[in-house]
Amino acid sequence: QSALTQPASVSGSPGQSITISCTGTSSDVGGYKFVSWYQQHPGKAPKLMIFDVTDRPSGVSNRFSGSKSGNTASLTISGLQAEDEADYYCSSYTSSSLVVFGGGTKLTVL
Amino acid sequence: QVQLQESGPGLVRPSDTLSLICSVSGGSISTDYWSWVRQPPGKGLEWIGYIYYSGNTKYNPSLKSRVTISVDTSKKQFSLKLSSVTAADTAVYYCARGDRYCSGGICYFATFDFWGQGTLVTVSS
Repeated sequence: QSALTQPASVSGSPGQSITISCTGTSSDVGGYKFVSWYQQHPGKAPKLMIFDVTDRPSGVSNRFSGSKSGNTASLTISGLQAEDEADYYCSSYTSSSLVVFGGGTKLTVL
Repeated sequence: QVQLQESGPGLVRPSDTLSLICSVSGGSISTDYWSWVRQPPGKGLEWIGYIYYSGNTKYNPSLKSRVTISVDTSKKQFSLKLSSVTAADTAVYYCARGDRYCSGGICYFATFDFWGQGTLVTVSS
């Protein structure tokens, strides 16, 4: 199975909004609602930020939102803050009952 | 609040078998999917596989021939065995709970909602 495609890096200034894309196929991202986004700070375990394409776990800021169109899912962070600087990964369930991650995107807050 | 803790050797010799255990607390292990994910130094996340509480397993095709995941519900633990390791298997290994979504009698892996802190395993002689 191939990894989902994410941009290697994105950047934005404090207060701005950024969007990270996650492109798969109809056998994973496009075929199921089970797309998630994780935030990972250096040396830390990943943290769930978005699940089921659009839902936020309790305690996650509403500045984080998710969406999907066709085979591409997106994570949008609004009102960027310095603490948002981290690596972000998407994941999806697949038609073979497997799980696939994206390659990861490094977010830099300028 | 579910908590997970990985344990096992931090150093494994090439061609040996890597063995890790994940201990679960704060919740039942008799539901959901129990998973292993790894991250080589400076690289991205790689899904290794999961075991459903009933014992059914699914593995990453690229690792399938070398991976075994098992669960011991009485001890609230699940384990990872990766055989014939090489330097390419050096990574931080995370255990994670996979939340499930069930509909019409079919259950799906939905998301990794709880993660262990991770443990670095180095493959070297």
